[in-house]
Parts: sequence; C-alpha cells; structure tokens
Amino acid sequence: DGGITQSPKYLFRKEGQNVTLSCEQNLNHDAMYWYRQDPGQGLRLIYYSQIVNDFQKGDIAEGYSVSREKKESFPLTVTSAQKNPTAFYLCASSILGNTYEQYFGPGTRLTVT
Amino acid sequence: GQNIDQPTEMTATEGAIVQINCTYQTSGFNGLFWYQQHAGEAPTFLSYNVLDGLEEKGRFSSFLSRSKGYSYLLLKELQMKDSASYLCAVKGTGANNLFFGTGTRLTVIP
Repeated sequence: DGGITQSPKYLFRKEGQNVTLSCEQNLNHDAMYWYRQDPGQGLRLIYYSQIVNDFQKGDIAEGYSVSREKKESFPLTVTSAQKNPTAFYLCASSILGNTYEQYFGPGTRLTVT
Repeated sequence: GQNIDQPTEMTATEGAIVQINCTYQTSGFNGLFWYQQHAGEAPTFLSYNVLDGLEEKGRFSSFLSRSKGYSYLLLKELQMKDSASYLCAVKGTGANNLFFGTGTRLTVIP
C-alpha cells in the first residue's frame, strides 16, 4: 500500500529541546511539504522540497529546519528557537505540477511544556 | 497577499443538502482544491477545479467562478460520517504552494 507515514502520532517534549518529526512516503513523489495546523487557523506551510537535496522556506520557517537526503524522506526538526511549537504537524507529498493534489500523512501532535 | 474565507461552522440534517462557500483573493491562481479532514486526522482530497463550472463526483460537487473569486462545495444526501472540517485551498503561481482557508466545521445531526 502506497502512502505517507509520520511518526510518532503524539510527541511530548520539554521546552528548550530540539525534536525531529519523521515523514516517509513510498508514492515516488518528487515534492514534499510540512504544514502546521493550529485551532482556528488554516494549514500554514513551513518548508517544502521539490527535489532531493533542495528545499525552500514556506510562510513560517523560523525556528524549524529540514533535510531531504532521500526522495522518500523529509524530516522536520523543531528547534528551541521556535517560540510556540505546540501544534499539529502535517507532512504531505505530491507529483510536481499544478493539477496534482497533495497527499497528507496522519500527522504528529507535538506538545511542548 | 493571500486571503481565503470560509464560514467557521455549519450544521445540517442527515439526508439534506449543504453548500459550503469559499471566497479567495490570491496573487496568482492555478486551481482550487477541497479537502475533507476528520478531527485529528489527515486531510483527504475531495475535488479540484481550475476552470469555471461545476465538477460532480458522487454525492460531492464543487463549483468555481474565477471572475468572482468564489467556489462552493455541495454535499448531497448527507450522512453522519460527513461530519468533518472542509478545507478550501488555492494553488498560487510558482512552486507547488497551496494556501489554505481556516476550514469549515460541518456537523450533521439526525
């Protein structure tokens, strides 16, 4: 079965710690994305990548970092510099091109206390 | 800038029809997507419109008017499982970015 996996589903961290969220896809998609979802707000783009070893900042990249060493994997690190990291994080992938929808992973709910 | 507006919440009765509106103002336009998202789960793709008119897919239809910056999602024969948030998203120019509205939470009541 093709799809996108994110792990873990729930993640708890203490303030000041960096944490890495995993995202893996076996859909052979070139493009991958990270979004953040907060109550009452739409999904906001953190980072995206269209090709291995290349990625671009989205609207709210401050305090986050990513890597794209393999086509299948696009991990997101939430650093201690992110002022409000508690949120629901969604990873997505798509074929390159305007008409193609994005496929979303199940999400990781991160709580930082 | 990008601005996408949807109603925050709607309630409808099982078996009825509901229309969820979306208006947008974006710096570029390469299509509009509708996604369904159940609480705590991933959004799933429902429809894509890039030309004006109505796209029908089973119980769900989506309409687009580019000149008015307007779309709607029409859900017919509502079922309890249709209770979810419905996200309107516009694809802008450049890259593959989608700009999302805040979503409309639909509650279907018996």
